[in-house]
Amino acid sequence: GDSVTQMEGPVTLSEEAFLTINCTYTATGYPSLFWYVQYPGEGLQLLLKATKADDKGSNKGFEATYRKETTSFHLEKGSVQVSDSAVYFCALLYSSASKIIFGSGTRLSIRP
Amino acid sequence: EAQVTQNPRYLITVTGKKLTVTCSQNMNHEYMSWYRQDPGLGLRQIYYSMNVEVTDKGDVPEGYKVSRKEKRNFPLILESPSPNQTSLYFCASSLSSGKYEQYFGPGTRLTVT
Repeated sequence: GDSVTQMEGPVTLSEEAFLTINCTYTATGYPSLFWYVQYPGEGLQLLLKATKADDKGSNKGFEATYRKETTSFHLEKGSVQVSDSAVYFCALLYSSASKIIFGSGTRLSIRP
Repeated sequence: EAQVTQNPRYLITVTGKKLTVTCSQNMNHEYMSWYRQDPGLGLRQIYYSMNVEVTDKGDVPEGYKVSRKEKRNFPLILESPSPNQTSLYFCASSLSSGKYEQYFGPGTRLTVT
């Protein structure tokens, strides 16, 4: 079945470091891909999305490119800040589907 | 402000005592869904609703009920809660299922003793 696999956390980085959080997926069709972020004590918020192969989603300095050949949607940011500390979820969604499939989440902690 | 609200935010209850967690959205969204979040398991869908009076099971529906009598509300009902339903619950809505992103409520932390 369809699934999303994320790198296990927690990930701890120093401020201004480069961030990569890996996400790979298994899908029988051509889903849309998402990154959601969950700040402490809050619900999930959409961070960025890509709806087809080779699309790049970007927001708040974060980027991810929909790679069909490697079935990946890795999240990157060039220079992280303490305020980026959160849990990040990769997810996929089919246009004909009734649900979004989430990865297990990756906790990111940024040291000042 | 466009939002999804849930109540209560925190609830401690005992086994077998019926409870309802309310969910309301003010965006005129057709699609609504309930998830539970458990450590290491990510979010798992409990129930969803494509529109008023249309609901269906998600991945983990056992022990839960829902209803969708109005477009804006989608309450989650636990008729006889058990300790394995201790979890963090999220309600979400979207314009419709499929390509539109989902908007999440702030979550309800439920503890069943």
